[in-house]
Amino acid sequence: AQSVTQLGSHVSVSEGALVLLRCNYSSSVPPYLFWYVQYPNQGLQLLLKYTSAATLVKGINGFEAEFKKSETSFHLTKPSAHMSDAAEYFCAVTKNNAGNMLTFGGGTRLMVKP
Amino acid sequence: DAGVIQSPRHEVTEMGQEVTLRCKPISGHDYLFWYRQTMMRGLELLIYFNNNVPIDDSGMPEDRFSAKMPNASFSTLKIQPSEPRDSAVYFCAISSRLGPLHFGNGTRLTVT
Repeated sequence: AQSVTQLGSHVSVSEGALVLLRCNYSSSVPPYLFWYVQYPNQGLQLLLKYTSAATLVKGINGFEAEFKKSETSFHLTKPSAHMSDAAEYFCAVTKNNAGNMLTFGGGTRLMVKP
Repeated sequence: DAGVIQSPRHEVTEMGQEVTLRCKPISGHDYLFWYRQTMMRGLELLIYFNNNVPIDDSGMPEDRFSAKMPNASFSTLKIQPSEPRDSAVYFCAISSRLGPLHFGNGTRLTVT
């Protein structure tokens, strides 16, 4: 069975600072990994996905994530935080490359200070 | 997400009442999912449909919960009778066979 663990339920950064949200996965087969973002009072939106084509994946809004098999990690980063990045971020895993049979992590709430 | 319309956005009801949540997918899809989100349990998959047929309802917490998809453009999630512990945000999501998931904006249910 696949699972993901997000380290840190809350992360706070200053505007302009590096954003790093951590995600570790557990999978018995090569995983497909995703990051979703949820803004207040909205549903989840896909940020980016890893489907084995390239280990460094670029997503929307300047976010990217790197798949590291040796560390079983798929951390999300952004070089410079913007106030509009404040949201909750979810890592998800599936063995289905369509990306619709997902197991979600617990989420990390990102706060951006002015 | 313009692809999925959920109604109502907010629902407040008393314990014991029947609650019906609605989902109207607008864009083409093969799969429809119902999720529940709470602070304690995060996002939980309740049930999903493929081509309007329920495939896996193992996430439905109790027999009080039921879901239907009479056609490709409409699905309902019903709770009867409702209990305070059912208070959560319920999301409908859709996808094609090639994914990914597209979520609606959810229904916030409060059972008093």
